[in-house]
Amino acid sequence: DVVLTQTPPTLSATIGQSVSISCRSSQSLLHSNGNTYLNWLLQRPGQPPQLLIYLVSRLESGVPNRFSGSGSGTDFTLKISGVEAEDLGVYYCVQSTHALTFGSGTKLEIK
Amino acid sequence: EVQLVESGGGLVQPGRSLKLSCAASGFTFSNYYMAWVRQAPKKGLEWVATISTSGSRTYYPDSVKGRFTISRDNAKSSLYLQMNSLKSEDTATYYCAALLQGPRYWGQGVMVTVSS
Repeated sequence: DVVLTQTPPTLSATIGQSVSISCRSSQSLLHSNGNTYLNWLLQRPGQPPQLLIYLVSRLESGVPNRFSGSGSGTDFTLKISGVEAEDLGVYYCVQSTHALTFGSGTKLEIK
Repeated sequence: EVQLVESGGGLVQPGRSLKLSCAASGFTFSNYYMAWVRQAPKKGLEWVATISTSGSRTYYPDSVKGRFTISRDNAKSSLYLQMNSLKSEDTATYYCAALLQGPRYWGQGVMVTVSS
């Protein structure tokens, strides 16, 4: 089974600060069709998760472009360039190359 | 507007059964793989089951295999989760999700509490 290791578990940032979250997979997420099915989700307090990034780096419609994703194979990163107050919540990476697996989450707090 | 609305949750005793439903609208339901994902109180997200577009293929993690059954009715744009032999560790909010290059659309979730 694929294990996704997310770091850090918590992140404290000031408004305007740039932050990064790492997601490392126990095996390659490159599918035989050439796609890498690694997504990033944000779960705001009391809300269901919402999709931010799909296929490693593609921004979901309506998501601000301060969010960006990068990586390949087993190593992936979500970057927020200029945190805003509405960005607080828990960020999850999720892979769907091999069934479905979620990372353990990164809680973003605003200082 | 895409909507996924779960129902059927509640309090159930250990060993009993419960069936969840998810009504979809605002997208072509029959074109999407669908999944159930759960979240225990104050915990992270856990995959529970996936079903193919036609319903012919289903997938489960070991934690629920043999106890839970996912199904769908494309004519009704509905997804289901039959949960048998429930355990206390199945207590969670259950979300249905539409999969397109990953979990793209999510419902608001329904709470299931397994307790005597």
